[in-house]
Amino acid sequence: ETGVTQSPTHLIKTRGQQVTLRCSSQSGHNTVSWYQQALGQGPQFIFQYYREEENGRGNFPPRFSGLQFPNYSSELNVNALELDDSALYLCASSLGFFPLSGGETQYFGPGTRLLVL
Amino acid sequence: KNEVEQSPQNLTAQEGEFITINCSYSVGISALHWLQQHPGGGIVSLFMLSSGKKKHGRLIATINIQEKHSSLHITASHPRDSAVYICAVSVGAGGGADGLTFGKGTHLIIQP
Repeated sequence: ETGVTQSPTHLIKTRGQQVTLRCSSQSGHNTVSWYQQALGQGPQFIFQYYREEENGRGNFPPRFSGLQFPNYSSELNVNALELDDSALYLCASSLGFFPLSGGETQYFGPGTRLLVL
Repeated sequence: KNEVEQSPQNLTAQEGEFITINCSYSVGISALHWLQQHPGGGIVSLFMLSSGKKKHGRLIATINIQEKHSSLHITASHPRDSAVYICAVSVGAGGGADGLTFGKGTHLIIQP
């Protein structure tokens, strides 16, 4: 039990729709990262938020966007869904001592499995 | 861009066997993470290390910074160790954030 929760657990959408996935980090964790994991693959880094601002981004288009709130919750929004967006979406939080070095234990949520038809 | 390679991709062993999973990466890192993922998706952090060796119960992780290589060992393996083991590295050095770069994982099955 990592103390990180995600909702919903499963979601089915159709191509072109928009989706919002939610994550609740451990209290006191200033950093949250979002990852996409396609079936049979390792997770891919989408972006990271530190103290409510985007702090880094992987190779994902702008239709992937996020928000982080002061209450340690965050959102991943995906617009204009495509079939290839079908994946497990994971969030991970960490304490986030600045300067951020990546050398912190990451606490992962259970993930949201998104299916785009 | 850091490339993370794991071997083997799949491993089936008998209960009690000593297990080794290897990870190599292509560029300098700030830390290497070993993670465990069970069916259903949940990921648990096992180790984070930037040098030397760490031990937790039956699990041991080592890293050789010069050779850009890490190993995860499981002693006295048990069927409950069956999972996907993922190696991930972080590169960020102050200010920026590159997230973790993951290997594809090693699917481990321990048979009774």
